[in-house]
Amino acid sequence: EAGVTQFPSHSVIEKGQTVTLRCDPISGHDNLYWYRRVMGKEIKFLLHFVKESKQDESGMPNNRFLAERTGGTYSTLKVQPAELEDSGVYFCASSQDFGAGGADTQYFGPGTRLTVL
Amino acid sequence: RKEVEQDPGPFNVPEGATVAFNCTYSNSASQSFFWYRQDCRKEPKLLMSVYSSGNEDGRFTAQLNRASQYISLLIRDSKLSDSATYLCVVNLPGSQGNLIFGKGTKLSVKP
Repeated sequence: EAGVTQFPSHSVIEKGQTVTLRCDPISGHDNLYWYRRVMGKEIKFLLHFVKESKQDESGMPNNRFLAERTGGTYSTLKVQPAELEDSGVYFCASSQDFGAGGADTQYFGPGTRLTVL
Repeated sequence: RKEVEQDPGPFNVPEGATVAFNCTYSNSASQSFFWYRQDCRKEPKLLMSVYSSGNEDGRFTAQLNRASQYISLLIRDSKLSDSATYLCVVNLPGSQGNLIFGKGTKLSVKP
């Protein structure tokens, strides 16, 4: 079974440009998460989709970030316009469902390394 | 105060050694607890969940102390392949899976 995939693996853009990151979750996983790791900091939650609906977007830094998951399959995260502080590694994760015990195991993609110059 | 705190290390140990990592979390309502492993420039991968009664998976033992808000990971008989960063992760009730990560503890196992 294919894991979570992300595209591109690396992106180098200039401040003010737009970048769109893509995540393909594991097939059949309704839950899709975006996380970000800025250099020197811990991995931080950005937002969570259940199918095509945004369940929680409390971690989104500001309105320059827009995430979509049309059709409830793959998701995109667009940064427009990009700023220097947006540099970091953007991870996507997916999970199947929530059991009685809470969160199901999240499987992470390899990440997109974004550098804003 | 950070939500999840870990000693960043690095821990440099010889093969065969036993090493322990500790982690504290600030929110007493935290519900689920995990250790993830992250290799250099790779994605985090779940190593094990941590249960109140403590749990063991081969050479790895995880413990949870809710009263002290403290989680530990013990690795016995360290292998070279255990070299990685170990991330302490918690989840709050009602958060629908929003994971809260520590910065990680780096382990380097030497021959």
